[in-house]
Amino acid sequence: AQKITQTQPGMFVQEKEAVTLDCTYDTSDPSYGLFWYKQPSSGEMIFLIYQGSYDQQNATEGRYSLNFQKARKSANLVISASQLGDSAMYFCAMRERSNYQLIWGAGTKLIIKP
Amino acid sequence: DSGVTQTPKHLITATGQRVTLRCSPRSGDLSVYWYQQSLDQGLQFLIQYYNGEERAKGNILERFSAQQFPDLHSELNLSSLELGDSALYFCASSGGPHRATDTQYFGPGTRLTVL
Repeated sequence: AQKITQTQPGMFVQEKEAVTLDCTYDTSDPSYGLFWYKQPSSGEMIFLIYQGSYDQQNATEGRYSLNFQKARKSANLVISASQLGDSAMYFCAMRERSNYQLIWGAGTKLIIKP
Repeated sequence: DSGVTQTPKHLITATGQRVTLRCSPRSGDLSVYWYQQSLDQGLQFLIQYYNGEERAKGNILERFSAQQFPDLHSELNLSSLELGDSALYFCASSGGPHRATDTQYFGPGTRLTVL
């Protein structure tokens, strides 16, 4: 069963607008972490933001925030005031306490239009 | 810059050959992970080492092997290469052995092309 689902294969967003990238997950482990990574066309994988399953507040890192809805098992990434440099693939990933590996979604290709 | 280094950046080789990919983790990190990213399979976890010992195995083929050395750098060996092994291979590191909260920081990757 797929554990991480990113339903948006691609998105076009106007520069300076906010954008929400969807991520839903499935786990029976009460302890888990959710991660978002950015992969520009150059290929590197850049860590953006982390949310723990027991965290009471939504994570924020600069222009990135995570809309964590535990009951709905969703962990959407919100990018405020998008910039041209935000154009990239974005991956949602999960790590369960009972598992060593990161489990990845298929990714969303975000293109920021000037 | 994540602090994780990988060499080489690009590798072109022929079917049947053997290659070695190298990774140096961030200073202080004891865990090293290897991932393969291909167009058809997406990102796949291969193997994890913690302080020199193998901790977990994922979808790693028998033709592939890895190790972590006393100085904590790691090498991924790929042998009897096939066309389907062409992919981007990432190394990542984290501080702890096994916590859901451990963030994995990725190196720039090695792009392997098998001709």
